[in-house]
Amino acid sequence: DTAVSQTPKYLVTQMGNDKSIKCEQNLGHDTMYWYKQDSKKFLKIMFSYNNKELIINETVPNRFSPKSPDKAHLNLHINSLELGDSAVYFCASSGRDRGGEQYFGPGTRLTVT
Amino acid sequence: KQEVTQIPAALSVPEGENLVLNCSFTDSAIYNLQWFRQDPGKGLTSLLLIQSSQREQTSGRLNASLDKSSGRSTLYIAASQPGDSATYLCAVRGGQGGSEKLVFGKGTKLTVNP
Repeated sequence: DTAVSQTPKYLVTQMGNDKSIKCEQNLGHDTMYWYKQDSKKFLKIMFSYNNKELIINETVPNRFSPKSPDKAHLNLHINSLELGDSAVYFCASSGRDRGGEQYFGPGTRLTVT
Repeated sequence: KQEVTQIPAALSVPEGENLVLNCSFTDSAIYNLQWFRQDPGKGLTSLLLIQSSQREQTSGRLNASLDKSSGRSTLYIAASQPGDSATYLCAVRGGQGGSEKLVFGKGTKLTVNP
């Protein structure tokens, strides 16, 4: 009964490739997020979707394109991967209850070689 | 622009000690503040959420306080255990109904020695 799940957990790929990370939540939340945690462990918002609509885009390169087919899913597609994209990507979700408390997935460790 | 600072960056204590982790933020107009725990190679686990109208929240051995006017929050851990070893992250959410994003500090890495 995982609340927020991500696949894959690990992703190793070469520069220039295109890859996708999938996220699903079974909490019935309306809002989903993508965060990036860099090598210094600093966690920063990338995107947020509410009911399948983009509400936050934090000046992320347009090689990153989130897609929300429904409010339980938020996928992240990355084109033309670069070395600097290596990081851990976390998906999260929140609802209207509990003050909008955010619940995080286990993370996807992306390594670009 | 909201900035969140956590001090200290790392802390090592013997088992059984009570300890305090500090978090400060530059813009006091917050909607709420959330404390998380992150274990190595794992995701974030939400520990406590304090609304802007609240002063503190408690869960078991954890107590989080919020002083919005001074831009500070503390996480108090009583009777620390080796299992408490992790990185603790503080994050604030914007005011006026809450812009959806959380702004995170860089965390405090806690080690509790047996």
